[in-house]
Amino acid sequence: GAVVSQHPSWVICKSGTSVKIECRSLDFQATTMFWYRQFPKQSLMLMATSNEGSKATYEQGVEKDKFLINHASLTLSTLTVTSAHPEDSSFYICSARTGTGEEQYFGPGTRLTVT
Amino acid sequence: AQSVAQPEDQVNVAEGNPLTVKCTYSVSGNPYLFWYVQYPNRGLQFLLKYITGDNLVKGSYGFEAEFNKSQTSFHLKKPSALVSDSALYFCAVRDGGGFQKLVFGTGTRLLVSP
Repeated sequence: GAVVSQHPSWVICKSGTSVKIECRSLDFQATTMFWYRQFPKQSLMLMATSNEGSKATYEQGVEKDKFLINHASLTLSTLTVTSAHPEDSSFYICSARTGTGEEQYFGPGTRLTVT
Repeated sequence: AQSVAQPEDQVNVAEGNPLTVKCTYSVSGNPYLFWYVQYPNRGLQFLLKYITGDNLVKGSYGFEAEFNKSQTSFHLKKPSALVSDSALYFCAVRDGGGFQKLVFGTGTRLLVSP
């Protein structure tokens, strides 16, 4: 149980285009989902927290107009990187939680490369 | 603010030997502590957590962690390392805010040699 999937697992896009990453909780309802970014050999940096049906809460320094997050249902959250640039290349990981006080379950990650 | 520190970038151990990956924490209030493992190009897998109760917490894959309040530590341990344990290990603490976010340490790479 408690499986989280991400799609795609890797994506290459050209600079200036937008790319959407999906995060799904497969066997549970996720009231809260988190989006992280991980640079090579570094820790996870939280980008934003989203609750189903509400606007996402972004961490300081994260551009909300660049990283659009939509938590449309209890099993799906999407991260759209708009007007991508090479510096947006990174490993993006989502996690989901059933409710307050519960642990987070992580997706397998999406590697984004912007050329 | 809650934080955790992992003082070692890398830990090397021979297969069959015991391993310890260190983590210290700084929190206000009761600490909610976690260990996760990450294999290359993969997301994080939950190993174990400490919320309350026994100071020795047992988790997945034979790992355990010892909560020490006086030393503010939560070290990850395993009695006998396997080559397949080689991975990146993260200690995390739950933030006390409304979203109860996780704050991660910088990670420790464990290399188990045959």
